[in-house]
Amino acid sequence: AQSVTQLDSQVPVFEEAPVELRCNYSSSVSVYLFWYVQYPNQGLQLLLKYLSGSTLVESINGFEAEFNKSQTSFHLRKPSVHISDTAEYFCAVSGYQGGKLIFGQGTELSVKP
Amino acid sequence: DTAVSQTPKYLVTQMGNDKSIKCEQNLGHDTMYWYKQDSKKFLKIMFSYNNKELIINETVPNRFSPKSPDKAHLNLHINSLELGDSAVYFCASSQELGANSYEQYFGPGTRLTVT
Repeated sequence: AQSVTQLDSQVPVFEEAPVELRCNYSSSVSVYLFWYVQYPNQGLQLLLKYLSGSTLVESINGFEAEFNKSQTSFHLRKPSVHISDTAEYFCAVSGYQGGKLIFGQGTELSVKP
Repeated sequence: DTAVSQTPKYLVTQMGNDKSIKCEQNLGHDTMYWYKQDSKKFLKIMFSYNNKELIINETVPNRFSPKSPDKAHLNLHINSLELGDSAVYFCASSQELGANSYEQYFGPGTRLTVT
């Protein structure tokens, strides 16, 4: 069965510190990988995606994620976080019939001054 | 312009009532989805429609009935509401062609509270 595991439910960090949000998946088929961000009381916004090609993908606001097929991981990183990065982050996989997304449990990133 | 919109944003109702949530996308996408986010923020797909045809129905109680009048709209009707239906419901859409068919755009969500 396909599944996504986000290894940390909460990650508290101080402003300007580096952060890594971990995501592992299991699937019997080739997958596409996504990170979505949900700010408080808002919908989900696509942060970055891996569809094919380079295994390192970047977002416009400094996040990056690396697809590691051998470790079935897609960890999200940022070298220096801001208060405004405080949000819930969801890792998701797709590639299945009908295009459905399977989400991880979410990681709450809390950036403190 | 809002890409994927939902109405209402908040919905408070009593057990046993019937309610509907509307979703519209102006992206020209062919596929639309409904997801449910529970109180622990876990997201799970409920339905998927492609060009008005149901393609995913993830073991959702038949009190939930999606309806797609055209490919830009996917509404969710819920009969005989129960306390456990309280959640945030998200609509999403995606293109049909190629790998980009897997990138989904989400609406702002509808917070349903059943009392």
